[in-house]
Amino acid sequence: NAGVTQTPKFRILKIGQSMTLQCTQDMNHNYMYWYRQDPGMGLKLIYYSVGAGITDKGEVPNGYNVSRSTTEDFPLRLELAAPSQTSVYFCASSYRGQGSEQYFGPGTRLTVT
Amino acid sequence: KNEVEQSPQNLTAQEGEFITINCSYSVGISALHWLQQHPGGGIVSLFMLSSGKKKHGRLIATINIQEKHSSLHITASHPRDSAVYICAVGVRGGSEKLVFGKGTKLTVNP
Repeated sequence: NAGVTQTPKFRILKIGQSMTLQCTQDMNHNYMYWYRQDPGMGLKLIYYSVGAGITDKGEVPNGYNVSRSTTEDFPLRLELAAPSQTSVYFCASSYRGQGSEQYFGPGTRLTVT
Repeated sequence: KNEVEQSPQNLTAQEGEFITINCSYSVGISALHWLQQHPGGGIVSLFMLSSGKKKHGRLIATINIQEKHSSLHITASHPRDSAVYICAVGVRGGSEKLVFGKGTKLTVNP
């Protein structure tokens, strides 16, 4: 099992550009999450999904969109990138939500200049 | 005030020392998680617990539900234990998501 994979590992965007961060898991988990981690701060939840076709906002959803068309994939879309979106982005999955272990991807380091 | 507070923020120890990292929370929880973030950035789950104590190798996690407090202990610390340790809670009656502490950065010197 590859677990949770994310692409790309690094990306530099110019202000106003758009991009999609890819996340795939091969553990057949229903729950998937997108977090951002800013220096010195805890992980903040952007969006999460409890199954294919079902998504919900987390703490910091503004400027992002998600979709969940399959159990395996949970892409995160950044529209009109802003410097405030410079961060490290982690995707995670779990079998039973907050009551089970979360498995994290390796992260994507995004810089918006 | 954050719902999850960790202490200390930074901790430096000598190899072989016993380490304790604390986590306090202010909400009712269904589960508490301890995570480790390696210097390279990867995050792995160490423990999930809702009562009592769990042990894995040199790591021990305890939780006191009445006092809303959890501790992560590392016995016989080693330089490879150097990492950021993160506490997170699942809020009881909340949605299926975790609330995270800011992490404790541990450095173990040889």
